[in-house]
Amino acid sequence: EAAVTQSPRSKVAVTGGKVTLSCHQTNNHDYMYWYRQDTGHGLRLIHYSYVADSTEKGDIPDGYKASRPSQENFSLILELASLSQTAVYFCASSDPGLSAETLYFGSGTRLTVL
Amino acid sequence: GQQVKQSSPSLTVQEGGISILNCDYENDMFDYFAWYKKYPDNSPTLLISVRSNVDKREDGRLTVFLNKSGKHFSLHITASQPEDTAVYLCAAGVGSSGNKLIFGIGTLLSVKP
Repeated sequence: EAAVTQSPRSKVAVTGGKVTLSCHQTNNHDYMYWYRQDTGHGLRLIHYSYVADSTEKGDIPDGYKASRPSQENFSLILELASLSQTAVYFCASSDPGLSAETLYFGSGTRLTVL
Repeated sequence: GQQVKQSSPSLTVQEGGISILNCDYENDMFDYFAWYKKYPDNSPTLLISVRSNVDKREDGRLTVFLNKSGKHFSLHITASQPEDTAVYLCAAGVGSSGNKLIFGIGTLLSVKP
């Protein structure tokens, strides 16, 4: 079954440490996205990618890097984690050939930075 | 400011009643409007969407109404059921640029038996 799988499901990190969140999709979609969700905010776009080996900045990219080594994999990297990055992170994919706006989300990664 | 606003953080409806969820937007360029459903500790999933060339779209118990002049769209769920209890996220964007989909903060719908 086609899916978007995120790992880990939850993580506790220390301030200043490096965190990598991983996303793998079997949808064969070209587009992939990283969103974060916080209380009082909707899902906000951090980074996205149209194709392997290329990433774009979303609405809130500061403090985050992204990597798309293949069509299936898209990682979000926090080089120096901060308390303000505590949130739930969602990865998503979409198919521009059918409907680029229809997002298929993973189950989320709950990140707590202490 | 928030480009897509859901002013009601929660809504309670009796089973069998109609649930009405509202969303306001600011950007005149938005031409794609959607509703996602999210259960706790689960991923958002697309329920229904509509483009700006129509005012209404029905799918079973779900209907999306779009009021472009008022920059407002809504989701109506008829014959509400307890399993409809979830957070509903509205989203809006421009054309086929999925990367510009802006989400509201969500409305928690509770359907009481």
